[in-house]
Amino acid sequence: DIQMTQFPSTLSASVGDRVTITCRASQSISNWLAWYQQNPGKAPKLLIYKASSLESGVPSRFSGSGSRTEFTLTINNLQPDDSATYYCQQYNTYPYTFGQGTKLEIK
Amino acid sequence: QVHLVQSGAEVKKPGASVKVSCKASEYTFTSFAIHWVRQAPGQRLEWMGWINSDNGNTELSQKFQGRVTISSDTSANTAYMELSSLRSEDTAVYYCATGHDFDIWGQGTMVTVSS
Repeated sequence: DIQMTQFPSTLSASVGDRVTITCRASQSISNWLAWYQQNPGKAPKLLIYKASSLESGVPSRFSGSGSRTEFTLTINNLQPDDSATYYCQQYNTYPYTFGQGTKLEIK
Repeated sequence: QVHLVQSGAEVKKPGASVKVSCKASEYTFTSFAIHWVRQAPGQRLEWMGWINSDNGNTELSQKFQGRVTISSDTSANTAYMELSSLRSEDTAVYYCATGHDFDIWGQGTMVTVSS
């Protein structure tokens, strides 16, 4: 199985800051990578697909980049609502696999 | 607007089976595959498999092969995930997801396995 490793595991930042979350795949997944935001007790919400495509309705403060094995999610101008856990997911190879999550706290 | 509505919470004893449903509305059910993903308490998301509702083909994670059955009823716009031989480690929220690149998710179904 392809292992997805995210870092950092936790992140604390202030309103207005820019943060970056990294996701590393154990082998090349081309650009078949998605980023999700999940709040407690809720289903994941798609933010970015195919590594860098912004899902409709998601603020442009969110952006994704990368290819093959190294990917990043950047959130500009952090807002209080951005407090959540963020997951990456590869959907290049079965079984599809997720990162362990990055918990973002807004100070 | 497209919605996926899942069945309610379940409590099962070890060794039993559970069947979770996922009803789709406002879109052509056969347009997209339906995936099943679970999340144990405090754990990462885990993909279980998917079904092509157009032809009934499935792809299952090897981890669950032999224990999981994914099916669909196109006349009812509903997909199902049945997990058998339940154990405590199967306690989790089970989600269905569809659309392009997993953009539509059900609300989740809590399955608790406890004696």
